[in-house]
Amino acid sequence: AQKITQTQPGMFVQEKEAVTLDCTYDTSDQSYGLFWYKQPSSGEMIFLIYQGSYDEQNATEGRYSLNFQKARKSANLVISASQLGDSAMYFCAMREGNTGNQFYFGTGTSLTVIP
Amino acid sequence: DAEITQSPRHKITETGRQVTLACHQTWNHNNMFWYRQDLGHGLRLIHYSYGVQDTNKGEVSDGYSVSRSNTEDLPLTLESAASSQTSVYFCASTPTGRYNEQFFGPGTRLTVL
Repeated sequence: AQKITQTQPGMFVQEKEAVTLDCTYDTSDQSYGLFWYKQPSSGEMIFLIYQGSYDEQNATEGRYSLNFQKARKSANLVISASQLGDSAMYFCAMREGNTGNQFYFGTGTSLTVIP
Repeated sequence: DAEITQSPRHKITETGRQVTLACHQTWNHNNMFWYRQDLGHGLRLIHYSYGVQDTNKGEVSDGYSVSRSNTEDLPLTLESAASSQTSVYFCASTPTGRYNEQFFGPGTRLTVL
């Protein structure tokens, strides 16, 4: 079974609108972490936001927030007030366990912001 | 500033040749990782290391090896390059005990002809 599933290969959003990128995960560990990364066309991986499995509040970083629904095993990324520079690939990832050794990535969602 | 670098950034090689991709970080992180990125697969873990002299196989380790002789470097070797190993390779590191962060290098684009 896939550890991380991103079901939206491509998404479009109007500039200044909000967009939600979906991510579901599969783990039997009690302790885990969820990450979102942005990969622009230049290719680097940029860390956006992190949510720990024991964190009660949804993580937020500027215009990024993570909608964490533990019972549903979902960790959707919400980008508010989209900007043209948000056009990129977005990857959801999970760290399993307490040792930090295993990271699993989804296949990514390509976001295009339309002016 | 502390950073993680990879070299070369681009490499073209022939089938059967040995290739080594370098990864160097100046954060003094104990944990280092190598991933490959392919269309439709996202990033997949090749090898990882918890510290000097420690190496472990990841999801797609066949045909690859790593060695860790110091904290800063984790070179990735393709013993006999195959066309299926054409990919973009990322090195990453995390500080010990702080698993809410993973820092990536800029990537190496490898083409095996």
